[in-house]
Amino acid sequence: GENVEQHPSTLSVQEGDSAVIKCTYSDSASNYFPWYKQELGKGPQLIIDIRSNVGEKKDQRIAVTLNKTAKHFSLHITETQPEDSAVYFCAAGGGNKLVFGAGTILRVKS
Amino acid sequence: DTAVSQTPKYLVTQMGNDKSIKCEQNLGHDTMYWYKQDSKKFLKIMFSYNNKELIINETVPNRFSPKSPDKAHLNLHINSLELGDSAVYFCASSQEVGLAAYNEQFFGPGTRLTVL
Repeated sequence: GENVEQHPSTLSVQEGDSAVIKCTYSDSASNYFPWYKQELGKGPQLIIDIRSNVGEKKDQRIAVTLNKTAKHFSLHITETQPEDSAVYFCAAGGGNKLVFGAGTILRVKS
Repeated sequence: DTAVSQTPKYLVTQMGNDKSIKCEQNLGHDTMYWYKQDSKKFLKIMFSYNNKELIINETVPNRFSPKSPDKAHLNLHINSLELGDSAVYFCASSQEVGLAAYNEQFFGPGTRLTVL
């Protein structure tokens, strides 16, 4: 089955700096790679996703890159703000099943 | 309007009791899920239902029994609760689009279960 590894587990950045979170997956059949943000006391919320026929996608300050050959994908947040502080999860899957990474606690210091 | 709702938000109970968590989605989605998030924030799928049919059961103890009365509801019943069942349980839903694998999942706010 699919296995997703996510790094780092915690990340502290200064406000305005960039943050990068990386994930690797094991199943080459996976074709959908979402990123979720979870704020304290809330459910995960999708912030961006990418499909296997696309190498890069950007939405304002957030971008995701996918390298299918190496089976890894990354989340890039530029110009970080205090409200970006949360737990971020990557996931990989296809059809109805997603396998999540272990999460990254992002702290943006002002 | 709340897209995916769960009740209760908090549940504190004694070991050995039986409890239920309810989930409803008003998005018109075909597929619903239950996830367990442990104290280390690890998010793991437990069950998935598509149009009231069970399609994923991830080796969850049979003390956990999901029930889907219709495609907008997926409830989770837990028998003989154990200390290790303490976690946050999330319900989610998605729209299946054939084999296109478009499966953005919308999560509910979670139910924090504490077993004493």
